[in-house]
Amino acid sequence: SQQGEEDPQALSIQEGENATMNCSYKTSINNLQWYRQNSGRGLVHLILIRSNEREKHSGRLRVTLDTSKKSSSLLITASRAADTASYFCATVLYSGNTPLVFGKGTRLSVIA
Amino acid sequence: NAGVTQTPKFQVLKTGQSMTLQCAQDMNHNSMYWYRQDPGMGLRLIYYSASEGTTDKGEVPNGYNVSRLNKREFSLRLESAAPSQTSVYFCASSERPVMEIYGYTFGSGTRLTVV
Repeated sequence: SQQGEEDPQALSIQEGENATMNCSYKTSINNLQWYRQNSGRGLVHLILIRSNEREKHSGRLRVTLDTSKKSSSLLITASRAADTASYFCATVLYSGNTPLVFGKGTRLSVIA
Repeated sequence: NAGVTQTPKFQVLKTGQSMTLQCAQDMNHNSMYWYRQDPGMGLRLIYYSASEGTTDKGEVPNGYNVSRLNKREFSLRLESAAPSQTSVYFCASSERPVMEIYGYTFGSGTRLTVV
């Protein structure tokens, strides 16, 4: 069963605007990761946030984590057409040595 | 370039045929994974190998077998393909299943159609 659930399923914005995607999960986690997938390609790791961290930045990406609400958000600032892709959150469960569990993704379209 | 290489990129099978999807990584990673991606379902784990010599079932293992041939290679076999196995298959690798700094490295995928 899916651990993470992204919201919205699809998002369309103008170039230069900010894009916010949310991820909710069900059980305690060790860390949460965000990945990008361009059409017809494999997934690319963007950023990882540990369960004891609340916010992390990487270039135009900002990720927040609220473990009390079991949710995370990914903010892409000043979006570009090249940011058009699907974005997935993935979680590492707190217990055990188990692989990443992915959500269903948010499809982002950035219109030039 | 370093990374994960999957072959073939595209394949069409008839129901009941068998095939093996190949995956190789050159990053000296210990762990390797097979995921499938279906529309609206995200990625679901089929099998994984935490280290050379070990394999474990994931969320959707039925109809598949795997072989960790050596540290570099992890193959996925469909013994008797079914239309429900039509999907895009991704291989990935990492130093270990639980990563605390870096994520997984993915291949570019194999698009499989079973008719």
